[in-house]
Amino acid sequence: GENVEQHPSTLSVQEGDSAVIKCTYSDSASNYFPWYKQELGKGPQLIIDIRSNVGEKKDQRIAVTLNKTAKHFSLHITETQPEDSAVYFCAALRGGGADGLTFGKGTHLIIQP
Amino acid sequence: DSGVTQTPKHLITATGQRVTLRCSPRSGDLSVYWYQQSLDQGLQFLIHYYNGEERAKGNILERFSAQQFPDLHSELNLSSLELGDSALYFCASSVAEYDYGYTFGSGTRLTVV
Repeated sequence: GENVEQHPSTLSVQEGDSAVIKCTYSDSASNYFPWYKQELGKGPQLIIDIRSNVGEKKDQRIAVTLNKTAKHFSLHITETQPEDSAVYFCAALRGGGADGLTFGKGTHLIIQP
Repeated sequence: DSGVTQTPKHLITATGQRVTLRCSPRSGDLSVYWYQQSLDQGLQFLIHYYNGEERAKGNILERFSAQQFPDLHSELNLSSLELGDSALYFCASSVAEYDYGYTFGSGTRLTVV
């Protein structure tokens, strides 16, 4: 089955700096790669996603890049703000999507004031 | 509020007992997914129902079962509970059978003592 590795497990950045979280996946049949943000006491919230036919996608301060050859994808957050502090999860989905998402173990992003 | 409602929010029970977790999907969503989140295993897919029928199974134990009712709400039944079943259980919903964008509920925290 699919295996998703996520690094780093903890990332501390100064407010205003950029943050990058990286994930690798194992199944070349995976074709959908979402990123979720989870705040304390809440469920994961989809923040951005990318499909395998696209190399990069941006939404304001957030961007995701995908390298299908290397089987890795990354989340980039620019101009970080205190409200960006949370746990971020990458995930991969194979084929038609009836099967569930395979998640990475998460990155605890800490924005230092 | 994501629109996905999970009850109860917290549940404390003893080993060997049986519990039922409930999920109401967003209005109009026909798919319901169940996930387990624990510190050691992370977020793991358990099972997917679409319009009342089981569509895919993940790492769901035989002691666990689920169903989706005609009004589309879903229940996850956990029996013969063990200490290791203590976790957050999330329900997510989406419109279609084969879909990409999930909306997660805020979860049920199960503590087995």
